[in-house]
Amino acid sequence: QAQLVESGGGVVQPGTSLRVSCTASGFTFRSYVMYWVRQAPGKGLEWVAIISYDGRNKYYADSVKGRFTISRDNSKNTLFLQMNSLRSEDTAVYYCARPTYCGGECYSTYLESWGQGTLVTV
Amino acid sequence: QFVLTQSPSASASLGASVKLTCTLPSGHSSSYAIAWHQQQPQKGPRFLMKVNSDDSDIKGDGIPDRFSGSSSGAERYLTISSLQSEDEAVYYCQTWGIGIPYVVFGGGTKLTVL
Repeated sequence: QAQLVESGGGVVQPGTSLRVSCTASGFTFRSYVMYWVRQAPGKGLEWVAIISYDGRNKYYADSVKGRFTISRDNSKNTLFLQMNSLRSEDTAVYYCARPTYCGGECYSTYLESWGQGTLVTV
Repeated sequence: QFVLTQSPSASASLGASVKLTCTLPSGHSSSYAIAWHQQQPQKGPRFLMKVNSDDSDIKGDGIPDRFSGSSSGAERYLTISSLQSEDEAVYYCQTWGIGIPYVVFGGGTKLTVL
């Protein structure tokens, strides 16, 4: 069974940087597209970034484009989100999520597994 | 990108049934599938099921039969029967881009079990 564990959250000042991580287990991490989704306090879910199975292709929500970078280390089953130029509106719980498998470059599917999240406070 | 519409709140009594709705925007194909996710208080989301436009659903592992999905036109439904206290949660619908990688969430429906 897939397990996703986020880490690296914390309290930072506006304009600074932070990197959060997600360690995956229970499935073949290198085969899956992976996602970051966030949730501001008391708000709904917001998609942040997507990365292809091999890390070559990356996609971002407009709200973070140019400031955040998604990456992965398939040798360590780990997903990353590098967050630069942080703003107060980036305060949220950040979740990594794995979709159901439909191909390493397939993005037209639903999220099937979620981590417990890591809180970033700016 | 587009918006999925959900009512902000719903309530039903313990042991009763409730039907939550997620509406695709007008002008978009009624063939879109969606997924339902449950978020209990202070927890991360949990995938419940995928609901197809043909009224079929695919449940996640361990999801009880009390949870079912259905479709009608541009609306996708989540029905929860025999409501239990632990069903009190926020329920989000989710869909995805076709040919363009992105994810769309509805605003969520907060379900109160009376």
